[in-house]
This record gives sequence, structure tokens and C-alpha cells, in this order.
Amino acid sequence: GNSVTQMEGPVTLSEEAFLTINCTYTATGYPSLFWYVQYPGEGLQLLLKATKADDKGSNKGFEATYRKETTSFHLEKGSVQVSDSAVYFCALSEDTGNQFYFGTGTSLTVIP
Amino acid sequence: DAGITQSPRHKVTETGTPVTLRCHQTENHRYMYWYRQDPGHGLRLIHYSYGVKDTDKGEVSDGYSVSRSKTEDFLLTLESATSSQTSVYFCAITDRTTGTEAFFGQGTRLTVV
Repeated sequence: GNSVTQMEGPVTLSEEAFLTINCTYTATGYPSLFWYVQYPGEGLQLLLKATKADDKGSNKGFEATYRKETTSFHLEKGSVQVSDSAVYFCALSEDTGNQFYFGTGTSLTVIP
Repeated sequence: DAGITQSPRHKVTETGTPVTLRCHQTENHRYMYWYRQDPGHGLRLIHYSYGVKDTDKGEVSDGYSVSRSKTEDFLLTLESATSSQTSVYFCAITDRTTGTEAFFGQGTRLTVV
């Protein structure tokens, strides 16, 4: 079956620190991979995506590379800001089938 | 921003009463989803729809029903609300072209007392 496992939180970092949030997946086909961000009281917003192996998604200084050999899609940012404080969700969608599969979310707090 | 509107945004209801949540989209996307979000569980799929009158169950469908009579509207009904259904409910849409992401509504916070 399909599933997503992501790093447990919460994660607390100082401003300008390096961020990594780990995400691994299990899929029966050829999935697309996504990172979503959720700010307090809001819905999920797409942060970045990758649709095939070795693709790198990037947005707002965040990056993630689709690694088929390790079935991973780790989220990274070189220098976090207070405004990056949010919950981050890793997700996959198969090229066949109708569903999206989400990890449990990782809460990030960035302190000044 | 994708045109998705959830209503109501907040609701408090009593145990045993029926509740209907509405998701309305203006994107003409074929696929619509209902998720619930609970601490420690992330997002769990309740039901989804792949067209008018075409729906299927997700992993936590017990106690919920859905209907889709028009492309733009997807209704989630709790026939007899229970305290375990206190949650934040999110609607999502996608056209399911390969690699296309899902777009989410702002959520409905439901409290069953």
C-alpha cells in the first residue's frame, strides 16, 4: 500500500538555523511527492512538489529532492525565519488511483 | 488561490444531532475530498468524489455520508454526531492530472458537546 512517514515533532530552531524535516514514503507505483505548509487557523498550502525521480522542488528557500533509491523527499531550508513557524506535511499521490496520502505533520517553531 | 469555500467555518452541536458541512468550488475540478485533522493523526480521508454522484469511502468513513449532486458542491453529513467527531474538517479538490496538487479549503472546526 501507500504511506508517508515523516519526522516527529515538534521542532524548535533559532532564527537562521538550518532545517531538515525527514520524509520517507512507500508506494506501489510512480508517485508525485508534495510538501504542504499549514499556518495556524488556516488550510494546507502547497509549498513545493516533484513529479519524478531526481526532480528537485523549491519555493521560498525550501527545497526537497525526490530520491527513488531511498524513497525519500526530505525538506530543507538553509536559514529559517520566524515566519516559517508552521506545521509541515509530506504527501504523495499515485499516478493511478484517486487518493493523496499524508504524513502526520511536523510542527516547526522558529525563535528569534 | 483556488476557489474553495467551506461552510460553516465553526459549529458547535449536540451529541445525536445531524450536521452537514458544505464544500463549494469554482474551479470545475473533478475530484473532491473530505479530510479530518486531529492531533497526532495528521489528515485522514473520510470520503472522496470522482464525479457527480460518484463517491467512495476513505479510511475513516464510519458515521459519515457524502453527496455530490453538482460538480461544484460536496456535502459531508454526520447523521448523528458523536463527541469523537469533534475535529477540524478540510475539503480538498484536484483535477488529478498527473502531478497536480490538491487545493484545500480553510477548514471547518466542529465541536460536538
